[in-house]
Amino acid sequence: DSGVTQTPKHLITATGQRVTLRCSPRSGDLSVYWYQQSLDQGLQFLIQYYNGEERAKGNILERFSAQQFPDLHSELNLSSLELGDSALYFCASSVDAGRGGYTFGSGTRLTVV
Amino acid sequence: QQQVKQSPQSLIVQKGGIPIINCAYENTAFDYFPWYQQFPGKGPALLIAIRPDVSEKKEGRFTISFNKSAKQFSLHIMDSQPGDSATYFCAANTDKLIFGTGTRLQVFP
Repeated sequence: DSGVTQTPKHLITATGQRVTLRCSPRSGDLSVYWYQQSLDQGLQFLIQYYNGEERAKGNILERFSAQQFPDLHSELNLSSLELGDSALYFCASSVDAGRGGYTFGSGTRLTVV
Repeated sequence: QQQVKQSPQSLIVQKGGIPIINCAYENTAFDYFPWYQQFPGKGPALLIAIRPDVSEKKEGRFTISFNKSAKQFSLHIMDSQPGDSATYFCAANTDKLIFGTGTRLQVFP
């Protein structure tokens, strides 16, 4: 157990729907990162939050949004889902703003049908 | 310039062999170079990492070699075991981790 908790582990939903993925960072970590992993694109950085504030943005679609709450857990919202959004979504956390290594959760496997 | 290029895409070795995975980068602002190991159905786990002021780092059977002038770094796995069969990712960090495309390693008994 890495200490980073992601729920749910699996999610199957239909195109056009909206889902929310949840992440609880490791105790003491202030930064949360979201990554998307698909077969043909590896691990793609989506977005980072540090202590509640958005810190960095990567290749995140406009249909996707995220936030970090005062208790430091984070949620990734995916809307108007398309078949191509099917992927593993990982959350990672780190104690600082990100100049070292991250601890990853076990991921949420999203399948859009 | 934010890319990290990783090769090979896949690697097959026999038990006891020394697989080598290579990565290259362009951005000289990168200042932290970790390697992650990922098993099927699991998240990536930090294996070993190096900073650019060091040319080599060993942790157990895993060694990172770092060539700052060539902007390349590599992972060597000594005395590889079937349990090392996994996907390995190199990465580089300034303010966020940028990952290579991954190398699927299979170690046969």
